[in-house]
Amino acid sequence: AQKITQTQPGMFVQEKEAVTLDCTYDTSDQSYGLFWYKQPSSGEMIFLIYQGSYDEQNATEGRYSLNFQKARKSANLVISASQLGDSAMYFCAMSSRGSTLGRLYFGRGTQLTVWP
Amino acid sequence: EPEVTQTPSHQVTQMGQEVILRCVPISNHLYFYWYRQILGQKVEFLVSFYNNEISEKSEIFDDQFSVERPDGSNFTLKIRSTKLEDSAMYFCASSETAYNSPLHFGNGTRLTVT
Repeated sequence: AQKITQTQPGMFVQEKEAVTLDCTYDTSDQSYGLFWYKQPSSGEMIFLIYQGSYDEQNATEGRYSLNFQKARKSANLVISASQLGDSAMYFCAMSSRGSTLGRLYFGRGTQLTVWP
Repeated sequence: EPEVTQTPSHQVTQMGQEVILRCVPISNHLYFYWYRQILGQKVEFLVSFYNNEISEKSEIFDDQFSVERPDGSNFTLKIRSTKLEDSAMYFCASSETAYNSPLHFGNGTRLTVT
């Protein structure tokens, strides 16, 4: 079974600073994908970034980067130059070829608060 | 940018009533999903749908739930006889490919069962 663990229920960061949100995963599959989603207080789920298990380079999307350490089974999200609008719940999720058709397994989320 | 559209944004219903939640996935996507999120909890998979049939369903997706793609654009989730514990945010999602492809979520329908 696939499992995602996010150990930080809440994180605080000052505006313009960088912050790392932790995510570890457990799977016996060789081919899998790791995702981060942002959920603002309005409730929608916004896709941020994706890392494939065979990708050698860490994924980057603008201010978001994914620190992928395969041997440690971690996929931490790094947000650089935090903005007030980054305050939201962040979910790490995983899919794998061991599960059918794109099913995502989510962690419990980390509530990020950016303060001025 | 194309997006997944869900209606209504908020639905209030009485226990025992039937509800239909509607979704319009991204037009060139072939794989469709329903997830739910009970308030304050993590997002849970309900069902995946491809080629006009259910591909996988979770243990949550019991006989009171059904999905349908009635035409070329809509994707619906029906809950036949709602219970208080069905109160949650329901998300529709779609993806271009089956594996390791980002799911694009709609804004959700907040279902409140009274």
